[in-house]
Amino acid sequence: DAGITQSPRHKVTETGTPVTLRCHQTENHRYMYWYRQDPGHGLRLIHYSYGVKDTDKGEVSDGYSVSRSKTEDFLLTLESATSSQTSVYFCAISGTSSTDTQYFGPGTRLTVL
Amino acid sequence: SQKIEQNSEALNIQEGKTATLTCNYTNYSPAYLQWYRQDPGRGPVFLLLIRENEKEKRKERLKVTFDTTLKQSLFHITASQPADSATYLCALTGGGADGLTFGKGTHLIIQP
Repeated sequence: DAGITQSPRHKVTETGTPVTLRCHQTENHRYMYWYRQDPGHGLRLIHYSYGVKDTDKGEVSDGYSVSRSKTEDFLLTLESATSSQTSVYFCAISGTSSTDTQYFGPGTRLTVL
Repeated sequence: SQKIEQNSEALNIQEGKTATLTCNYTNYSPAYLQWYRQDPGRGPVFLLLIRENEKEKRKERLKVTFDTTLKQSLFHITASQPADSATYLCALTGGGADGLTFGKGTHLIIQP
């Protein structure tokens, strides 16, 4: 398995609270991605990074922000969580180019009450 | 708008038969197409990548075809086994930094 971990693995929070999810890789891969997966929608890209401090928005970025201060860490922040952000969040990494194979983390199940 | 379609209904196949999954796309000119497997509670796992200038790719019991004229990819599992039961995702990329766009997946069930 690619060296990619996510924390926490499960979280329950209340509407309006800030939440930060962490993705950590040991592969020194350049590209990192955050997806959410919901029934009926499949995997949707939230934000991605193509290098340290280089990030951009994906398909469903509203309500989310990201930061990447080190190659190995990519943080996803929900500034004020809403019930519509209840989902399973996956981090992925890819190496030499954005068209390369993506390796996924184990996921974080987030419930916003 | 860009769209990727995979069979939304579960596909039931008898063990030993060939399973064929379909991925259709519109308003794309993908440079690459990838197939992933996802088991319940786990992240997707890469299976095969095929480029736009390749017609077919094989890996053990897996075969992928890519027809850019029909805008379709077929994913075959030969001599299917119950352990092949999973959700299979098709993903496309145009080569930009934003990586892959995934289909919703097809749930494959191999019955003993």
